[in-house]
Formats: sequence, C-alpha cells, structure tokens
Amino acid sequence: GAVVSQHPSRVICKSGTSVKIECRSLDFQATTMFWYRQFPKKSLMLMATSNEGSKATYEQGVEKDKFLINHASLTLSTLTVTSAHPEDSSFYICSAREARGTGELFFGEGSRLTVL
Amino acid sequence: AQKITQTQPGMFVQEKEAVTLDCTYDTSDQSYGLFWYKQPSSGEMIFLIYQGSYDEQNATEGRYSLNFQKARKSANLVISASQLGDSAMYFCAMRESMNTGFQKLVFGTGTRLLVSP
Repeated sequence: GAVVSQHPSRVICKSGTSVKIECRSLDFQATTMFWYRQFPKKSLMLMATSNEGSKATYEQGVEKDKFLINHASLTLSTLTVTSAHPEDSSFYICSAREARGTGELFFGEGSRLTVL
Repeated sequence: AQKITQTQPGMFVQEKEAVTLDCTYDTSDQSYGLFWYKQPSSGEMIFLIYQGSYDEQNATEGRYSLNFQKARKSANLVISASQLGDSAMYFCAMRESMNTGFQKLVFGTGTRLLVSP
C-alpha cells in the first residue's frame, strides 16, 4: 500500500526555537496533505490542509504564523512550528491523499514534539 | 455540534471474544464516507475499514466488520476473535462532501480497547 513518511519521529527542542517536520509520500503523488495535532488521549485535530503549489487552508483557531505549512512538491509537505513553546508539545500527524485512485488518505507515523 | 461521537472512552474484551466499538455521526450530506482507524502505542494511524454512504452492504475486512445503520447514523466497528495485538486506540472518522473538490476527515475522540489474555 501507499506509504507516507514523517521525519523526525521525535524531536526535543528549546523554547523559542523553530522546528520543521517533513511529510513525504513515498510511492505516490499527493495533491493534498493534511496536518493534524493530537493531544494526549484525545482525538486528532485538523490543523490545516495544504495543496501543492498554493497556500494552506488553516482551521479556525490555528495560528498561521505559528504553524507554517509549505507544500512545495507533490511528494513533500512541511510543517514548521515557529518560536516553539512548551504548550506546543504534542503529537503531529500528517496524511496524504493520492492524486489518482480512490482518494484514500494515508497517514504518516507521526512526530512527537517536546518543547523544553 | 460534534460530528463524530464515540461514547466509549475505554473497552475491555477477553482474547478470542468479539467486541463492538460504537460510533455515531452527524451530517447533512447525502454522500459521505466512514472510516475506522487503529492507533497503537507507536502513534501511527492504521486504516481498518471503510463504508460509503451509498453502500448497501456492511463493509467487512477480515476480522473487522462495520455495522452501518444509516437511519440511526451509526457506524459501529465489530472486531471478531480479539487478539492481544488489537489493544490500541480506535478512531471513527467521517469524510464529508465527497463529490466536491474539497474533502476533510473529521475524527471522533477515540476508544481505547484493551484485550486481556
């Protein structure tokens, strides 16, 4: 099946620094990628939808300047947490939808961010 | 209003028994899709089963089956012959507006399943 890879899987950073998380579709082209945030023992919260070559669509309440999303190619989307703070510590998951086929979503393994 | 409701925060089942995880949804769309995902402790999301709103038969995938009751807007997941490896979080999700260009997946809050020997 289709594979979506996220990197890094775990990252620890100091408060005030920026962290970039990559989401790659390894064997298919993804016109649309979604970024989710999961709080402990809670559901996934959709943060934004990124379309290749255009600006991301952010969900209400998600700070655009805080969570920068770039979808530069059909196989790569990046999420940059800028000036990270401890409250940004969370599990971030991306998913990608194939440009062709059934439009099924494939999820990455997730990235756990810990901000000290 | 919540789109996807999973009322069971946790469920216990004994190995080899069957278990049903509840999911109800709310949508005004005629065309939509319902999904179940499994999230083990590693964090990745694993697709289990899909049911389209126009599918007349309940979806089945191996030990997983979806009890789709459209009038009641419920899409319960049934796991038969539970295995220890089934212990995980289970998320119900709905994809709306399937016939438009924009699709969004909305998740429930999840049910933690523990399978005991």
